[in-house]
Amino acid sequence: DTGVSQNPRHKITKRGQNVTFRCDPISEHNRLYWYRQTLGQGPEFLTYFQNEAQLEKSRLLSDRFSAERPKGSFSTLEIQRTEQGDSAMYLCASLRDRGGMKQFFGPGTRLTVL
Amino acid sequence: TQLLEQSPQFLSIQEGENLTVYCNSSSVFSSLQWYRQEPGEGPVLLVTVVTGGEVKKLKRLTFQFGDARKDSSLHITAAQPGDTGLYLCAGERPSNTGKLIFGQGTTLQVKP
Repeated sequence: DTGVSQNPRHKITKRGQNVTFRCDPISEHNRLYWYRQTLGQGPEFLTYFQNEAQLEKSRLLSDRFSAERPKGSFSTLEIQRTEQGDSAMYLCASLRDRGGMKQFFGPGTRLTVL
Repeated sequence: TQLLEQSPQFLSIQEGENLTVYCNSSSVFSSLQWYRQEPGEGPVLLVTVVTGGEVKKLKRLTFQFGDARKDSSLHITAAQPGDTGLYLCAGERPSNTGKLIFGQGTTLQVKP
């Protein structure tokens, strides 16, 4: 069990650029979640996948955001035309829905939009 | 609207003191989880409580789930500098999606 991994750990970009983050969940975890955390706040839910199906999206996920999990393993979160308000920590978590619903988080990707 | 109200938001105490962090809601949760987060890292799961009235202990940490499954508390006995960090409560609604709703977090500083 290698834990949830996220890449990159840090990303600095200029406003208007596109960025993509990757999450590798714990193997055999069929559910994968994306959250966003701003400074001094708790994480906020963005979206989640069961296997390759995206089952729920928060209204926080504007049309500039897109997430995929093409083979039901790793997931990517893309932000197009980044804005300064997108600066945050993007967290990925996974769980096995027959494993007591315990959700394990990755280390996060810190995005700074200049 | 914050579905889970966590208090206090900041706490600075001396080593050896006791403290309690509260997590309150008007909504029922099927489970409630407590996490600890270090700066620049993801939250690390401490405990999950699922039954109303449930009490779980983890060394000097005691977690309680309210009878109505709307609130929870975390009590730390004889706090140590190593307990310093951000403590987050997170509830799962009965929809069984696994989606977590987090409180604002409590930043704890324990001074030696």
